[in-house]
Amino acid sequence: SQQGEEDPQALSIQEGENATMNCSYKTSINNLQWYRQNSGRGLVHLILIRSNEREKHSGRLRVTLDTSKKSSSLLITASRAADTASYFCATVVIQGAQKLVFGQGTRLTINP
Amino acid sequence: DAGVIQSPRHEVTEMGQEVTLRCKPISGHDYLFWYRQTMMRGLELLIYFNNNVPIDDSGMPEDRFSAKMPNASFSTLKIQPSEPRDSAVYFCAIRPPGDEQFFGPGTRLTVL
Repeated sequence: SQQGEEDPQALSIQEGENATMNCSYKTSINNLQWYRQNSGRGLVHLILIRSNEREKHSGRLRVTLDTSKKSSSLLITASRAADTASYFCATVVIQGAQKLVFGQGTRLTINP
Repeated sequence: DAGVIQSPRHEVTEMGQEVTLRCKPISGHDYLFWYRQTMMRGLELLIYFNNNVPIDDSGMPEDRFSAKMPNASFSTLKIQPSEPRDSAVYFCAIRPPGDEQFFGPGTRLTVL
């Protein structure tokens, strides 16, 4: 079964609005990463947050991590049409430190 | 998609045929990963290598699948014989020193 589960599975918002995606996982982790996948392309790394961090920022991206709830959220502020893509969380579990376990992803559509 | 070249980008074959997917890292790395992505199962790790040595092949679905990494600049994933249920997008990814992975553009395989 998937380690990470994203919520919602699909999200459609207007350009300029903020988009929030959530990820829940099952086992203890070393770090959690978010990736973006444009249609027909490979995954692109966005941001990494370690298990001892609670919040991290990168440009218009804000990631939070709550290890007590085993959950993370990705916030994209001031969304743009180019942000339309699928977003995946991936975890590095402590016991298998080299393996990334991906969730099913959130399909984000930004309407102009 | 920087850092990894995959070929072919698209492959259509008939059931029973041998399929070979290729991956050429063009930047330094410690690890190389093969993933499979389908709508039903999402992104699955098939196998990964460390310094050209296979470390974990527990994700390889069955003996019809094999992977090699003869040197740091080349890896192959072979399916023999192929079956329709093998239809998927296959990604190669590398991990330089650090935790993020860099994905290739993928090979879309269709087995008729």
